[in-house]
Amino acid sequence: AQSVTQLDSQVPVFEEAPVELRCNYSSSVSVYLFWYVQYPNQGLQLLLKYLSGSTLVKSINGFEAEFNKSQTSFHLRKPSVHISDTAEYFCAVSGSNNAGNMLTFGGGTRLMVKP
Amino acid sequence: DAMVIQNPRYQVTQFGKPVTLSCSQTLNHNVMYWYQQKSSQAPKLLFHYYDKDFNNEADTPDNFQSRRPNTSFCFLDIRSPGLGDAAMYLCATSRAGGDGETQYFGPGTRLLVL
Repeated sequence: AQSVTQLDSQVPVFEEAPVELRCNYSSSVSVYLFWYVQYPNQGLQLLLKYLSGSTLVKSINGFEAEFNKSQTSFHLRKPSVHISDTAEYFCAVSGSNNAGNMLTFGGGTRLMVKP
Repeated sequence: DAMVIQNPRYQVTQFGKPVTLSCSQTLNHNVMYWYQQKSSQAPKLLFHYYDKDFNNEADTPDNFQSRRPNTSFCFLDIRSPGLGDAAMYLCATSRAGGDGETQYFGPGTRLLVL
């Protein structure tokens, strides 16, 4: 069984400040890790993912996340946020041991960027 | 661009009146999923199709059914919507055995039950 914990339900931050959204998981098998972003009244958009290889993964809009196996974490960071980054962010994991593994989502973190 | 499309984006129905939500995809993925998402919550998986094989989550109410007539299309039927079924319904697709089975989501259909 897998579980995902997003420790912060809301993160308020001022524009141009750095931000970290925390994600911890538990799993008895190797995992794939994902961050999705959801803007109001829209679907989930894949922000970035870790499947294998380099533990630091980056998105095209300045976010990055690092897979830390020993701490079972996949925290999302951005050095300088914009108003347009205001959204709900979901961390998710799936097992990598065989096909057909479903996604397990965290509870989500609402990022609120203030001017 | 390859994508997941959901129609309509907003659907209003009456209590007890059957409603169908649709999803189509141009990604040629063999797995399709339906999720229900209520306000301020994570998406909850209702069921998924692996090719034509239907897989129902254990706690999905019988009121929810699904059809997948071909690879590209999948439908969610709610036979007798209740007020508690008002939610965002998300369709997603993935390629089994590849790309980490990354799921790609559509824009969602927001269902309102009057």
